[in-house]
Amino acid sequence: GQNIDQPTEMTATEGAIVQINCTYQTSGFNGLFWYQQHAGEAPTFLSYNVLDGLEEKGRFSSFLSRSKGYSYLLLKELQMKDSASYLCAVRPKAAGNKLTFGGGTRVLVKP
Amino acid sequence: EAQVTQNPRYLITVTGKKLTVTCSQNMNHEYMSWYRQDPGLGLRQIYYSMNVEVTDKGDVPEGYKVSRKEKRNFPLILESPSPNQTSLYFCASSYAGGGETQYFGPGTRLLVL
Repeated sequence: GQNIDQPTEMTATEGAIVQINCTYQTSGFNGLFWYQQHAGEAPTFLSYNVLDGLEEKGRFSSFLSRSKGYSYLLLKELQMKDSASYLCAVRPKAAGNKLTFGGGTRVLVKP
Repeated sequence: EAQVTQNPRYLITVTGKKLTVTCSQNMNHEYMSWYRQDPGLGLRQIYYSMNVEVTDKGDVPEGYKVSRKEKRNFPLILESPSPNQTSLYFCASSYAGGGETQYFGPGTRLLVL
């Protein structure tokens, strides 16, 4: 089966750093995605990891450890507009682009 | 502008009345997919398509049908909607290769009474 776990909700202060963890147990692994979703809107792509290590993209970084079935998304210098849900998704198969999503982590940024 | 469009954006219907939600993309993507999103359950895949005339079930296909007669369009059909299909639906598309990000449509909010 497929199991992807992430915390339901996190709160942080503007200007701070927040780390969103994602653990997965899937029948296969061919990459992990992070998406951002503002309330009532479509998810938008943030990052993709397929090899172990850290990928940095401006204020956002994503880390992957395949041996531990673990990833995190790091949001630095938080801004109010970062208040959103963050979705972790695993691509289990090499063929096609099927994604299995976690339940999402709602991040609330306070002034 | 590269985009995925869905129609309608909002729909209220009654149990048993057949409906179709359209999805269209202008990026020449091979892969298209339908998801539903429910509180606490995240995004769950309903059906997907690898290319024209190639479709397959996702994780929650019961009560839904799809077709892929043209590359750009991937309609979702509810033959006999029931209240448990009340949800937020997203269509997504991407190139078929590994690691390609999926682009999501704006969503269709469906209420079945």
